[in-house]
Amino acid sequence: SQQGEEDPQALSIQEGENATMNCSYKTSINNLQWYRQNSGRGLVHLILIRSNEREKHSGRLRVTLDTSKKSSSLLITASRAADTASYFCASADWGNKLTFGGGTRVLVKP
Amino acid sequence: DGGITQSPKYLFRKEGQNVTLSCEQNLNHDAMYWYRQDPGQGLRLIYYSQIVNDFQKGDIAEGYSVSREKKESFPLTVTSAQKNPTAFYLCASSTRDGTNIQYFGAGTRLSVL
Repeated sequence: SQQGEEDPQALSIQEGENATMNCSYKTSINNLQWYRQNSGRGLVHLILIRSNEREKHSGRLRVTLDTSKKSSSLLITASRAADTASYFCASADWGNKLTFGGGTRVLVKP
Repeated sequence: DGGITQSPKYLFRKEGQNVTLSCEQNLNHDAMYWYRQDPGQGLRLIYYSQIVNDFQKGDIAEGYSVSREKKESFPLTVTSAQKNPTAFYLCASSTRDGTNIQYFGAGTRLSVL
């Protein structure tokens, strides 16, 4: 199956600014998840939004979901240098599989 | 410590050689997964298993094999049939609670000599 798409592929911001990244997916979903990957490491789950939800918050993270457009966005507010990482969306189907997007590389400059 | 352990961290394969990547979890999760990640790319599913003694092919299973003899263990063999094995391999596990939130190991980087 094809991966979803993420936009932008890379993002460079100053500390304290907000970072926004977008994700599109292709099929009907149970939920959509966002993960973070530090360079050369495994992925860490950040936040999950269910298909019947439109917006969710967790700390400095805000996720939106538009199922009519098959798209989601992740906003990181008041970014910190430690937020430098790659961020991946993953759409969960009604079985037990995730389909990952290509990722957005975020660089937060101090 | 609860988590997923992948070993080795780095692995080198010679031409024509099969190599096996280890993945062990002590989270008591039923489902386990293997992904391949190429530089600057997302993750692609190789194989997954939802229960002991059962597994299914993912999107890029050719040239790989797995076994699931124990709940805790899901080793991946990269066979000589996989002509481009150089990549970062990630193992993950999840409960069967309907969310499919996955927990990842630290990965194995495989290179060809």
